[in-house]
Amino acid sequence: SQQGEEDPQALSIQEGENATMNCSYKTSINNLQWYRQNSGRGLVHLILIRSNEREKHSGRLRVTLDTSKKSSSLLITASRAADTASYFCATLPSGGSYIPTFGRGTSLIVHP
Amino acid sequence: DTGVSQDPRHKITKRGQNVTFRCDPISEHNRLYWYRQTLGQGPEFLTYFQNEAQLEKSRLLSDRFSAERPKGSFSTLEIQRTEQGDSAMYLCASSLEDPGYTFGSGTRLTVV
Repeated sequence: SQQGEEDPQALSIQEGENATMNCSYKTSINNLQWYRQNSGRGLVHLILIRSNEREKHSGRLRVTLDTSKKSSSLLITASRAADTASYFCATLPSGGSYIPTFGRGTSLIVHP
Repeated sequence: DTGVSQDPRHKITKRGQNVTFRCDPISEHNRLYWYRQTLGQGPEFLTYFQNEAQLEKSRLLSDRFSAERPKGSFSTLEIQRTEQGDSAMYLCASSLEDPGYTFGSGTRLTVV
C-alpha cells in the first residue's frame, strides 16, 4: 500500500520557474524524505525532514512539513532542465518501523 | 565502495523460468531493503534485512519469491516460476542506523 500521495501527478514548467510538489500521508510519522528518480534509474535521496521540524533547506530545495495536516511540500527554485525527473515522498512511520513507504510520485518536466 | 550495486541491470526471461538478482550494499550499512516498482508507480516494499536477519516481508512477496543475505553482506532475490506480472524494476537500498537510504540503479525484469 502507498502511504504518501503526491500532487500533482505531473508538472510541466519552463526553466527558471519554481516547481512545487505536495505529499499527503495518512498515519503518524517519524520522518519524511524526498527522492528524485531519473527515467529508468534508481532513486536519489534529496532531503529528510523529521516530525519535529517544520522547514528544511538544501541548495535550491525547500521542504516544509505540517504534521497537523499530514502533508509536506517540496519547492525547487529556479528550476533547470536537469531537474526533469520523478519526485517521490517516502514516510517512515512512528513506532519503531524502519521501512519507508513511498507515494506514486510527481513527474516533473522542465522545458529549456 | 561508492554506492549500492545491483546485478544484472536488465534481465529478460521466459515465463516459468527462475531468476536471481544480486545486491551489494554499501559495506558499513547494516540494513538492506528490496522494493519493486512498476511503470508510473512508486516503489513497493518487498522485504527488509537487518544484518543477516530477514525481519519483515511484504504480503507482495509470494512463496515464489525468496531473499537471502548471508553473513549480512550482499543479498539475493530469487523469483521462481516467473509470471508476466513479475515484470518490474527491482530496487535494492541500504542504510545505517540513521535514515537516509541509498538506492541501487535497479534490475529491470521483463518476463516474456
